[in-house]
Amino acid sequence: DSGVTQTPKHLITATGQRVTLRCSPRSGDLSVYWYQQSLDQGLQFLIQYYNGEERAKGNILERFSAQQFPDLHSELNLSSLELGDSALYFCASSVTSQETQYFGPGTRLLVL
Amino acid sequence: GEDVEQSLFLSVREGDSSVINCTYTDSSSTYLYWYKQEPGAGLQLLTYIFSNMDMKQDQRLTVLLNKKDKHLSLRIADTQTGDSAIYFCAETPRGNYQLIWGAGTKLIIKP
Repeated sequence: DSGVTQTPKHLITATGQRVTLRCSPRSGDLSVYWYQQSLDQGLQFLIQYYNGEERAKGNILERFSAQQFPDLHSELNLSSLELGDSALYFCASSVTSQETQYFGPGTRLLVL
Repeated sequence: GEDVEQSLFLSVREGDSSVINCTYTDSSSTYLYWYKQEPGAGLQLLTYIFSNMDMKQDQRLTVLLNKKDKHLSLRIADTQTGDSAIYFCAETPRGNYQLIWGAGTKLIIKP
Protein backbone atom coordinates (compact mmCIF):
# COMPACT_ATOMS: atom_id res chain seq x y z
CA ASP A 1 0.00 0.00 0.00
CA SER A 2 1.58 3.25 -1.20
CA GLY A 3 -0.54 5.50 1.02
CA VAL A 4 -2.11 7.23 -1.98
CA THR A 5 -5.85 6.66 -2.24
CA GLN A 6 -8.09 7.09 -5.23
CA THR A 7 -11.85 6.94 -5.58
CA PRO A 8 -13.81 5.52 -7.17
CA LYS A 9 -12.06 2.33 -8.16
CA HIS A 10 -14.28 1.81 -11.19
CA LEU A 11 -16.50 4.17 -13.12
CA ILE A 12 -18.83 3.40 -16.01
CA THR A 13 -20.51 6.25 -17.80
CA ALA A 14 -21.84 7.32 -21.18
CA THR A 15 -20.39 9.51 -23.90
CA GLY A 16 -20.97 13.20 -23.33
CA GLN A 17 -21.05 12.86 -19.56
CA ARG A 18 -18.79 14.41 -16.94
CA VAL A 19 -17.01 12.62 -14.12
CA THR A 20 -14.77 13.56 -11.20
CA LEU A 21 -11.92 11.41 -9.99
CA ARG A 22 -10.53 11.98 -6.54
CA CYS A 23 -7.07 11.48 -5.11
CA SER A 24 -5.69 11.79 -1.59
CA PRO A 25 -1.90 11.98 -1.46
CA ARG A 26 0.34 10.34 1.10
CA SER A 27 0.50 12.16 4.39
CA GLY A 28 3.06 14.94 4.10
CA ASP A 29 3.25 14.95 0.31
CA LEU A 30 2.67 18.33 -1.28
CA SER A 31 2.79 17.35 -4.93
CA VAL A 32 0.11 15.45 -6.84
CA TYR A 33 0.38 14.11 -10.38
CA TRP A 34 -2.23 12.65 -12.72
CA TYR A 35 -1.46 10.06 -15.37
CA GLN A 36 -3.57 8.28 -17.96
CA GLN A 37 -2.88 4.70 -18.98
CA SER A 38 -4.58 3.49 -22.14
CA LEU A 39 -3.93 0.56 -24.42
CA ASP A 40 -2.99 2.67 -27.42
CA GLN A 41 -1.15 5.55 -25.73
CA GLY A 42 0.52 3.79 -22.82
CA LEU A 43 1.24 5.85 -19.70
CA GLN A 44 1.02 9.58 -20.18
CA PHE A 45 1.52 12.44 -17.79
CA LEU A 46 -1.48 14.75 -17.60
CA ILE A 47 -0.85 17.42 -14.98
CA GLN A 48 0.93 18.18 -11.73
CA TYR A 49 0.00 20.30 -8.73
CA TYR A 50 2.24 21.44 -5.94
CA ASN A 51 0.76 22.82 -2.73
CA GLY A 52 -2.40 23.92 -4.47
CA GLU A 53 -0.85 25.40 -7.60
CA GLU A 54 -0.51 23.97 -11.06
CA ARG A 55 3.17 23.17 -11.65
CA ALA A 56 3.37 21.32 -14.94
CA LYS A 57 1.07 20.31 -17.75
CA GLY A 58 1.44 17.34 -20.04
CA ASN A 59 -0.86 15.80 -22.62
CA ILE A 60 -4.05 16.92 -20.95
CA LEU A 61 -7.04 17.62 -23.17
CA GLU A 62 -8.95 20.87 -22.85
CA ARG A 63 -12.01 18.85 -21.82
CA PHE A 64 -10.07 17.75 -18.74
CA SER A 65 -9.24 19.90 -15.75
CA ALA A 66 -7.85 19.35 -12.30
CA GLN A 67 -7.32 21.13 -9.03
CA GLN A 68 -5.64 20.62 -5.69
CA PHE A 69 -7.48 21.74 -2.61
CA PRO A 70 -6.12 23.31 0.62
CA ASP A 71 -6.16 19.90 2.31
CA LEU A 72 -3.96 18.73 -0.61
CA HIS A 73 -6.39 16.25 -2.08
CA SER A 74 -6.87 16.57 -5.81
CA GLU A 75 -9.68 16.07 -8.28
CA LEU A 76 -9.48 15.37 -11.98
CA ASN A 77 -12.57 16.43 -13.92
CA LEU A 78 -13.27 14.83 -17.27
CA SER A 79 -16.08 16.31 -19.35
CA SER A 80 -17.78 15.67 -22.70
CA LEU A 81 -16.48 12.16 -22.41
CA GLU A 82 -15.64 10.17 -25.51
CA LEU A 83 -15.13 6.47 -26.03
CA GLY A 84 -11.40 7.07 -26.33
CA ASP A 85 -11.26 8.46 -22.80
CA SER A 86 -11.72 4.95 -21.44
CA ALA A 87 -8.53 4.27 -19.53
CA LEU A 88 -6.94 3.77 -16.16
CA TYR A 89 -6.29 7.09 -14.43
CA PHE A 90 -3.53 7.15 -11.86
CA CYS A 91 -2.73 9.69 -9.24
CA ALA A 92 0.73 9.87 -7.72
CA SER A 93 2.18 12.00 -4.97
CA SER A 94 5.61 13.06 -3.82
CA VAL A 95 7.01 15.15 -1.00
CA THR A 96 8.24 17.90 -3.29
CA SER A 97 8.28 18.37 -7.04
CA GLN A 98 11.40 16.36 -7.68
CA GLU A 99 11.08 13.47 -5.32
CA THR A 100 10.06 9.89 -6.01
CA GLN A 101 6.42 9.50 -6.98
CA TYR A 102 4.17 6.96 -5.27
CA PHE A 103 1.10 5.81 -7.12
CA GLY A 104 -2.45 5.14 -6.08
CA PRO A 105 -4.37 2.06 -7.25
CA GLY A 106 -6.00 3.94 -10.11
CA THR A 107 -9.54 4.60 -11.28
CA ARG A 108 -10.69 2.50 -14.21
CA LEU A 109 -12.99 4.58 -16.41
CA LEU A 110 -15.18 2.96 -19.03
CA VAL A 111 -17.08 5.22 -21.40
CA LEU A 112 -19.91 3.47 -23.27
CA GLY B 1 12.78 14.79 -27.62
CA GLU B 2 12.48 12.50 -24.66
CA ASP B 3 11.91 8.82 -25.35
CA VAL B 4 12.16 5.64 -23.31
CA GLU B 5 12.23 2.26 -25.01
CA GLN B 6 11.77 -1.25 -23.71
CA SER B 7 11.12 -4.58 -25.31
CA LEU B 8 7.52 -5.67 -24.85
CA PHE B 9 8.00 -9.22 -23.58
CA LEU B 10 10.53 -11.31 -21.66
CA SER B 11 10.08 -14.99 -20.90
CA VAL B 12 12.22 -16.74 -18.27
CA ARG B 13 12.15 -19.98 -16.34
CA GLU B 14 11.28 -19.95 -12.68
CA GLY B 15 14.47 -19.76 -10.64
CA ASP B 16 16.49 -18.12 -13.41
CA SER B 17 17.54 -14.47 -13.47
CA SER B 18 15.47 -11.98 -15.45
CA VAL B 19 17.12 -8.99 -17.08
CA ILE B 20 14.84 -6.25 -18.32
CA ASN B 21 16.46 -3.57 -20.44
CA CYS B 22 15.58 0.04 -21.12
CA THR B 23 17.13 2.78 -23.21
CA TYR B 24 16.46 6.47 -22.85
CA THR B 25 17.41 9.49 -24.88
CA ASP B 26 17.62 12.36 -22.43
CA SER B 27 21.12 12.53 -20.98
CA SER B 28 19.99 15.14 -18.46
CA SER B 29 17.77 12.65 -16.62
CA THR B 30 18.28 12.94 -12.90
CA TYR B 31 16.47 9.83 -11.68
CA LEU B 32 15.60 6.59 -13.44
CA TYR B 33 12.91 4.34 -12.06
CA TRP B 34 11.53 0.85 -12.27
CA TYR B 35 7.86 0.37 -11.51
CA LYS B 36 5.94 -2.91 -11.41
CA GLN B 37 2.33 -3.34 -12.44
CA GLU B 38 0.55 -6.60 -11.66
CA PRO B 39 -2.63 -7.50 -13.57
CA GLY B 40 -5.48 -5.21 -12.61
CA ALA B 41 -3.31 -3.37 -10.10
CA GLY B 42 -1.63 -0.02 -9.74
CA LEU B 43 1.99 0.98 -10.22
CA GLN B 44 4.35 -0.12 -7.49
CA LEU B 45 7.70 1.60 -7.16
CA LEU B 46 10.35 -1.13 -7.21
CA THR B 47 13.56 0.83 -7.15
CA TYR B 48 15.26 3.86 -8.57
CA ILE B 49 18.76 5.05 -9.29
CA PHE B 50 20.23 8.50 -9.29
CA SER B 51 22.04 9.49 -12.46
CA ASN B 52 25.45 9.72 -10.75
CA MET B 53 25.32 6.05 -9.73
CA ASP B 54 26.30 3.01 -11.79
CA MET B 55 24.65 0.28 -9.78
CA LYS B 56 22.15 -0.21 -7.03
CA GLN B 57 21.28 -3.47 -5.32
CA ASP B 58 18.20 -4.14 -3.24
CA GLN B 59 17.70 -7.78 -2.21
CA ARG B 60 16.89 -9.70 -5.41
CA LEU B 61 16.93 -6.56 -7.54
CA THR B 62 20.00 -5.08 -9.20
CA VAL B 63 19.84 -1.92 -11.28
CA LEU B 64 22.66 -1.11 -13.67
CA LEU B 65 23.03 2.27 -15.33
CA ASN B 66 25.30 2.91 -18.30
CA LYS B 67 25.15 6.66 -18.81
CA LYS B 68 27.36 6.63 -21.87
CA ASP B 69 24.97 4.32 -23.72
CA LYS B 70 21.88 5.67 -21.93
CA HIS B 71 21.00 2.12 -20.95
CA LEU B 72 19.28 0.98 -17.80
CA SER B 73 18.67 -2.59 -16.74
CA LEU B 74 16.82 -4.37 -13.99
CA ARG B 75 18.00 -7.81 -12.94
CA ILE B 76 15.71 -9.98 -10.84
CA ALA B 77 17.55 -12.88 -9.27
CA ASP B 78 15.81 -16.23 -8.65
CA THR B 79 12.68 -15.19 -10.55
CA GLN B 80 9.46 -16.41 -8.93
CA THR B 81 5.90 -16.71 -10.22
CA GLY B 82 5.01 -13.70 -8.11
CA ASP B 83 7.34 -11.63 -10.27
CA SER B 84 4.94 -11.98 -13.21
CA ALA B 85 3.99 -8.43 -14.08
CA ILE B 86 4.66 -5.57 -16.44
CA TYR B 87 7.81 -3.65 -15.60
CA PHE B 88 8.01 0.00 -16.56
CA CYS B 89 11.15 2.03 -16.90
CA ALA B 90 10.71 5.78 -16.37
CA GLU B 91 12.93 8.84 -16.26
CA THR B 92 12.66 12.37 -14.97
CA PRO B 93 14.54 14.71 -17.29
CA ARG B 94 16.32 17.49 -15.45
CA GLY B 95 14.05 20.43 -14.77
CA ASN B 96 10.99 18.40 -15.66
CA TYR B 97 8.58 17.12 -13.07
CA GLN B 98 6.80 14.51 -15.09
CA LEU B 99 7.77 10.89 -15.51
CA ILE B 100 8.52 9.80 -19.06
CA TRP B 101 7.57 6.15 -19.43
CA GLY B 102 8.60 3.20 -21.49
CA ALA B 103 5.88 0.98 -22.93
CA GLY B 104 6.50 -1.67 -20.29
CA THR B 105 8.00 -5.17 -20.48
CA LYS B 106 5.72 -8.05 -19.69
CA LEU B 107 7.65 -10.67 -17.70
CA ILE B 108 6.38 -14.19 -18.29
CA ILE B 109 7.52 -16.95 -15.97
CA LYS B 110 7.72 -20.48 -17.31
CA PRO B 111 7.52 -23.35 -14.78
